[in-house]
Amino acid sequence: GAVVSQHPSRVICKSGTSVKIECRSLDFQATTMFWYRQFPKQSLMLMATSNEGSKATYEQGVEKDKFLINHASLTLSTLTVTSAHPEDSSFYICSASDGTSGQETQYFGPGTRLLVL
Amino acid sequence: AQTVTQSQPEMSVQEAETVTLSCTYDTSENNYYLFWYKQPPSRQMILVIRQEAYKQQNATENRFSVNFQKAAKSFSLKISDSQLGDTAMYFCAFMKFNDYKLSFGAGTTVTVRA
Repeated sequence: GAVVSQHPSRVICKSGTSVKIECRSLDFQATTMFWYRQFPKQSLMLMATSNEGSKATYEQGVEKDKFLINHASLTLSTLTVTSAHPEDSSFYICSASDGTSGQETQYFGPGTRLLVL
Repeated sequence: AQTVTQSQPEMSVQEAETVTLSCTYDTSENNYYLFWYKQPPSRQMILVIRQEAYKQQNATENRFSVNFQKAAKSFSLKISDSQLGDTAMYFCAFMKFNDYKLSFGAGTTVTVRA
């Protein structure tokens, strides 16, 4: 099956610093990638939709200047949390759609746990 | 906006027995997709089963089957012959046709007892 990786798997940073999370589709080209946020024992909330070569589309309530998304190639999307604060601590998950098998199927990365001190 | 409701926060089932998870959704769309995803303790999201709304036949994947009632906007998941590895959080999700965004329910934690 299609594999999506995320790096790093966990990161601890100081308040005020920026953190970059990478999402890669390893064996397919992902025209669309999605970024989710998940708080402990809660559901996944879609943050933004990322299309290769174009600006990301953010969901209502998500600050685009704080959560910078870049989808520079068909296999890589990055999420940068700028000037991170403790309330940004969460589990961030990306997913990718394989256009050849239908964009309705999303393959998920293993997630990145962010802790901001 | 679509709303997905999972009314059972937690379910417990004995190994080898059957458990059914409920999911209802609210939409004015006629064409859409429904999914059940599993999130084990590793937190890796795994697709369990999917259903296209235009298909009347209920989807089945090995021990997992759904009961899709379009008129009632209900999409329950049945896990048969439960195994210890089925212990996970299960999320029901909705996707509008040609939209490709997933809306998730709150999740149901399933614990399989030995």
